[in-house]
Amino acid sequence: SQTIHQWPATLVQPVGSPLSLECTVEGTSNPNLYWYRQAAGRGLQLLFYSVGIGQISSEVPQNLSASRPQDRQFILSSKKLLLSDSGFYLCAFRGIGTEAFFGQGTRLTVV
Amino acid sequence: AQSVTQPDIHITVSEGASLELRCNYSYGATPYLFWYVQSPGQGLQLLLKYFSGDTLVQGIKGFEAEFKRSQSSFNLRKPSVHWSDAAEYFCAVYGAGNKLTFGGGTRVLVKP
Repeated sequence: SQTIHQWPATLVQPVGSPLSLECTVEGTSNPNLYWYRQAAGRGLQLLFYSVGIGQISSEVPQNLSASRPQDRQFILSSKKLLLSDSGFYLCAFRGIGTEAFFGQGTRLTVV
Repeated sequence: AQSVTQPDIHITVSEGASLELRCNYSYGATPYLFWYVQSPGQGLQLLLKYFSGDTLVQGIKGFEAEFKRSQSSFNLRKPSVHWSDAAEYFCAVYGAGNKLTFGGGTRVLVKP
């Protein structure tokens, strides 16, 4: 069966520190992968999506970057976190012809 | 560019009453449409989806949605709301370029 793993569940980081959030998928090949951010009381903002290894599309200019080093691995990074990077980050994948499946999310607090 | 609008940010409904959540999308071709539900601090769970065929689709937890091409809408309904339906609901469209775009969400509060 298709599953998605996202970690860590919570993270508190100081301003200016680096960030690495990881997401891995099992049970499917060549999935479309997505990173979303959900700020408090707001909707889901698409940050990055990927249709294949090394292929990253960025939706909004920001302090974050994404990479896909393997078919089923998607990483969200930052070199220097800002206070405004705080939020709830969700990874998702979509297999061909199916709906998107979401991870449980990472709550990031930048202090 | 594709987009999704959920006009209602908050909806309060009494337990046992009916519920309808609005969703309007913008996309040039026939879209794939979804409704998801999110409990506090959790990921998203799929309620139902529309790819093609019958425009009235049934989902889990007693929800249904109707695709209306002429109105570019995909409204979610439930005949009788339970207290456990209190959550945030998101409409989404999967369109060009493999983008999956969500609306801003509607938070549902259920009164006893």
